[in-house]
Amino acid sequence: EIVLTQSPGTLSLSPGERATLSCRASRSVGIYLAWYQQKPGQAPRLLIYDASNRATGIPARFSGSGSGTDFTLTISSLEPEDFAVYYCQQRRDFGQGTRLELK
Amino acid sequence: DVQLVESGGGLVQPGGSLRLSCITSGFTFTKYWLAWVRQTPGKGLEWVANMAEDRSVAYYADSVKGRFTISRDNVESSLHLQMNSLRAEDTAVYYCARVWGSYDYMTHWGQGTLVTVSS
Repeated sequence: EIVLTQSPGTLSLSPGERATLSCRASRSVGIYLAWYQQKPGQAPRLLIYDASNRATGIPARFSGSGSGTDFTLTISSLEPEDFAVYYCQQRRDFGQGTRLELK
Repeated sequence: DVQLVESGGGLVQPGGSLRLSCITSGFTFTKYWLAWVRQTPGKGLEWVANMAEDRSVAYYADSVKGRFTISRDNVESSLHLQMNSLRAEDTAVYYCARVWGSYDYMTHWGQGTLVTVSS
């Protein structure tokens, strides 16, 4: 089992700002990490796989980076629809989530 | 379009059983692993089980091993989760998901079905 620790727990920002979310793994996972977005009442949506590849239909403002144990999801300029909870995932393990809220 | 639609959730007493179903369409069912993932109210995501495209192998989270059974019907393009000996801590929204790649990325999800275990 891999423990994924996401930080911060909550991030308060305004539209147009840059968001940086972190996910740290308890041991190296290479590049094999995904990011999901979940809005209230909806299922998660895959954003990023293999640490840095955008899934189909995901806007270019979303980018992922990292390898080994430290990973980052960056949203370059927040749109109103980006305020949601974000999870990282490595195989069968999920992080606890980062809530991105409107400041 | 890829679609996954869960059903079968509801209220059940502790110790009871429930069978969830996930009807799929819009893709070649027999080419993909499928999974169940749950989310407890107000909390995070927990992988529950998955099954190979040819039904040759299935894996379970320790929290459900011996109580839950995943199955799939490759003719009907459906996925199922038989849940026995249910506990209060099994209360959650259960999602089925299509799995892609060697690292269990979940590219498509259903809308979820709520299971409540309570007396």
